[in-house]
Amino acid sequence: AQSVAQPEDQVNVAEGNPLTVKCTYSVSGNPYLFWYVQYPNRGLQFLLKYITGDNLVKGSYGFEAEFNKSQTSFHLKKPSALVSDSALYFCAALSGGSYIPTFGRGTSLIVHP
Amino acid sequence: GAGVSQSPSNKVTEKGKDVELRCDPISGHTALYWYRQSLGQGLEFLIYFQGNSAPDKSGLPSDRFSAERTGGSVSTLTIQRTQQEDSAVYLCASSLQINYGYTFGSGTRLTVV
Repeated sequence: AQSVAQPEDQVNVAEGNPLTVKCTYSVSGNPYLFWYVQYPNRGLQFLLKYITGDNLVKGSYGFEAEFNKSQTSFHLKKPSALVSDSALYFCAALSGGSYIPTFGRGTSLIVHP
Repeated sequence: GAGVSQSPSNKVTEKGKDVELRCDPISGHTALYWYRQSLGQGLEFLIYFQGNSAPDKSGLPSDRFSAERTGGSVSTLTIQRTQQEDSAVYLCASSLQINYGYTFGSGTRLTVV
């Protein structure tokens, strides 16, 4: 069975500071990992993905995420947060043999001016 | 189309009534998913369509829920005899290939009163 944990319901950060949104996963085999962002009253927008290759993946809006196999983590990061980054962030995982991604419960990121 | 289109964007219905939610995926995307998003509950998988194959209905919460996908394109999610606990945002996503990521619609906010 697949599972995704986002241990923080909310992350608060000051504008200009680095941010991290945590995600750990449990899947069988090699994982496909994704991050999505949801702005109010909108659907989820794709940020980045890890399929294979370099552990550090770069995505939209200056976000990046690091795949850590030993810790089964895929934390989302950004060097300098913007107020406009405030949104709900979802991590998703998919095992190589599955077709249905499992999403975490989401983390609300609040960037303070 | 340019994106995944869902209609209606909002639906208020009386308890016990039937509702139909529509999803128009990106042209050419063979995979289509329905998820339900409840406050604080993350995304709950409902049903998955892939081409002309039999759908994976393993996430449907009860036999009041059903979905179809006509001609491998438009999908309709039907909820019969709606209950207050059905109130949620229903999200549709489509994908060309699982490791490409998923494109989500803006969702239908269903409120059962």
